[in-house]
Amino acid sequence: KNEVEQSPQNLTAQEGEFITINCSYSVGISALHWLQQHPGGGIVSLFMLSSGKKKHGRLIATINIQEKHSSLHITASHPRDSAVYICASTGVRETSGSRLTFGEGTQLTVNP
Amino acid sequence: NAGVTQTPKFRVLKTGQSMTLLCAQDMNHEYMYWYRQDPGMGLRLIHYSVGEGTTAKGEVPDGYNVSRLKKQNFLLGLESAAPSQTSVYFCASSYSPTGAKYGYTFGSGTRLTVV
Repeated sequence: KNEVEQSPQNLTAQEGEFITINCSYSVGISALHWLQQHPGGGIVSLFMLSSGKKKHGRLIATINIQEKHSSLHITASHPRDSAVYICASTGVRETSGSRLTFGEGTQLTVNP
Repeated sequence: NAGVTQTPKFRVLKTGQSMTLLCAQDMNHEYMYWYRQDPGMGLRLIHYSVGEGTTAKGEVPDGYNVSRLKKQNFLLGLESAAPSQTSVYFCASSYSPTGAKYGYTFGSGTRLTVV
């Protein structure tokens, strides 16, 4: 059974700081997802990775398949980035229906 | 806008009451999922569907039933609500089983309190 762990659980930063959230998983995966959840809000998919690196605006996601590790970076952080960031993986053998395995999330607070 | 719509957004139930949560998507996705989110735990899969007329159990199916009579709709039912079912419920859909194509789309959630 795949386990997904995120660190840190809570992160407070000052506006403008560079932020890194880490995610590790225990078994081989077909895809790694980064999700964002604002307080009281829905969940938005930020990235889906199977290898390498992806960038969208100030957000960068990387994955190292050999080390079973992914990172989400936020450059020039802003208070509107405050949210819970969730890492989730899809197993290699999922064919008849997906089983996303979720981390517990990282609560990010960016102060002005 | 295309996406996943959940209704209702909030609900308070008394123990033993029943209710149905509706999830609707307009992206022609085959795969649909119901999750619950509880403090200190990651999202957990309740039931899922791989197409119209199909349903399957997830990680925490007890106390819930589902139906997928139409491709665009996935209903989650609680026949006899219990306080342990107090949670935030999320519906999601995807084009492919692993989300490898176009990822997953989530609804805005339903906050359910059972008293």
